[in-house]
Amino acid sequence: AQSVTQPDIHITVSEGASLELRCNYSYGATPYLFWYVQSPGQGLQLLLKYFSGDTLVQGIKGFEAEFKRSQSSFNLRKPSVHWSDAAEYFCALQGAAGNKLTFGGGTRVLVKP
Amino acid sequence: GAVVSQHPSRVICKSGTSVKIECRSLDFQATTMFWYRQFPKKSLMLMATSNEGSKATYEQGVEKDKFLINHASLTLSTLTVTSAHPEDSSFYICSAGGAFFGQGTRLTVV
Repeated sequence: AQSVTQPDIHITVSEGASLELRCNYSYGATPYLFWYVQSPGQGLQLLLKYFSGDTLVQGIKGFEAEFKRSQSSFNLRKPSVHWSDAAEYFCALQGAAGNKLTFGGGTRVLVKP
Repeated sequence: GAVVSQHPSRVICKSGTSVKIECRSLDFQATTMFWYRQFPKKSLMLMATSNEGSKATYEQGVEKDKFLINHASLTLSTLTVTSAHPEDSSFYICSAGGAFFGQGTRLTVV
């Protein structure tokens, strides 16, 4: 069975501060990993993905994530958040290309001025 | 990345009626599409896997007779919510190629 855990339900961060969202997964092999962002009432926007190779992945909007096999983690980071980064963030796992995604519970990010 | 178009983005229907949601992959052929449901402030839960030219595979607990899925071509899958009830109100979102999502459909049953 595969699963994804996002330990933090809510995170509040000041504008300009750094942000790190945690994601841990359980899977029998190296999975494909994704981070998505969802604004209220909107669909999912893909921020970045990891398939193989370099374990530090760069995405859109200044986000990056690091795959750590030893920790079964794929944490998302941004050095300096903007008010527009306030949204829900989902980490997801895929066992093979084209397969279904298994999502974590999501982390809601609030940005203080 | 691939482009997936979902229509309509919002729909309000009366209890007892049926609603059809379309999911199109615009720039690639998708033999498999996925339908997810998202409750307010919750994560996405897979409802079913839509297979082109064959029956959909439903997740445990999802009523196949209520949520009819048709995948008649390599670019189109449809989800029909039959005899809709207020508890079917939710955000439905499809994906193609596994990782590419439509814009989602907000269904409200009154």
